[in-house]
Formats: sequence, structure tokens, C-alpha cells
Amino acid sequence: GQQVMQIPQYQHVQEGEDFTTYCNSSTTLSNIQWYKQRPGGHPVFLIQLVKSGEVKKQKRLTFQFGEAKKNSSLHITATQTTDVGTYFCADRAASGAGSYQLTFGKGTKLSVIP
Amino acid sequence: GAVVSQHPSRVICKSGTSVKIECRSLDFQATTMFWYRQFPKQSLMLMATSNEGSKATYEQGVEKDKFLINHASLTLSTLTVTSAHPEDSSFYICSAREVRNQETQYFGPGTRLLVL
Repeated sequence: GQQVMQIPQYQHVQEGEDFTTYCNSSTTLSNIQWYKQRPGGHPVFLIQLVKSGEVKKQKRLTFQFGEAKKNSSLHITATQTTDVGTYFCADRAASGAGSYQLTFGKGTKLSVIP
Repeated sequence: GAVVSQHPSRVICKSGTSVKIECRSLDFQATTMFWYRQFPKQSLMLMATSNEGSKATYEQGVEKDKFLINHASLTLSTLTVTSAHPEDSSFYICSAREVRNQETQYFGPGTRLLVL
């Protein structure tokens, strides 16, 4: 079945450094969604990418969808302690008869050292 | 890595019937499992928190008599949608937290429910 790989599993950065998490699949991704989960909290939807090569920005966050739609990335510029949490990507794909399924990556846990 | 499975992956049922969805942690023990519903706006909505051996904690606005949750073992939680109606049609996702690592959640692949 569909597998979504996410790397790295963990990332520790000094406050002010940049951070990137990558989402990959051996098959073509349909729509990529990114979520952020704070420690002890629940995933919060950040953004959805649909088009090949698409780039979207939200303040210090930059989301990219690969040209071949087999990878996606989330880049955070100048991390802050408020960026701490686990970042998940998920592929939203049609599963027939108008329905869809969401396949999550395992997430990248970001720690920011003040 | 930790694996969470859901069964069934897709179900179609008639209005008025009940549907049971299973969430299993395959290679770890989960004291806590979560049930989410995803709406067309694409955000996940937490429905309830399921704790092994105790009653589930429901979020505001979620009918506990409508969505029955049972967490009978450290590897299995079930969500039963009782007397389903078309407005219950949605995508339901479960996730599980390991006993040893309470900060990480592992997500199941989801169950698509269509009520006719």
C-alpha cells in the first residue's frame, strides 16, 4: 500500500537556525498536507499542496511540492522555541467512489535549544 | 517503527445501522488512543480520547451515545457509530500513544464511512 516516508525522525537545532523536514514516497503523491503537533497536543492542519512544483509560504514556514509529486518539504527559517513540536506530512489520496484516504508520515520531532 | 492499523478501511452502510471501526497498535502497547474525524475543510477534529480500562473522554459537541468507544486492551480501541445517518459520513482516523513514549502519536490509515 501507499507509504509515506518522512525524515529525519528527530532534529535538534539551536534557536535561530533553520530546519527542514522531508516527505517522500515511491509512488506519486496526490495532495500533500502538513500538520504540526505540539508536545501533548493534537495535530493542527497547516497547509495543503496540490500542484506539481507548488511553493507556499506562511511567515517563516515554506512548503514545497516536488516537480514529480514524489516528495515534499517543510522549511522553517530562523527557528524559535515556539516551533517545537512534531511535524507530520500526509498524502490525501482518492480511494474510489468519491472517498479518500489520508496516509501520514511518521513525523519529524523538532527540538529548539534556546 | 510503530504501526497502527484500522479496519475496515472503507465501509458503506444504510441509514440507521451501526458501524464498528477497529484501531489496533500492532507492535506496541498503547494506553491512550485518539479518535479523529476529518471534515471537508481538511482539518482533523479530535472526537475523543480513549484510555485502556476506563471510559473515554469526549470533546465538546461529540455525542458519547452516538459514538461509542471501547478500549478493552492495550492494543485495541473500537469506535462504534450507532444508528448512523448520512451526516455521519466522514473519514475517521485513530492514533495511539506508546506506553513508554507519551509524546509521540502514531496514526492509523483511516476509515472512510459512507452512510446511504
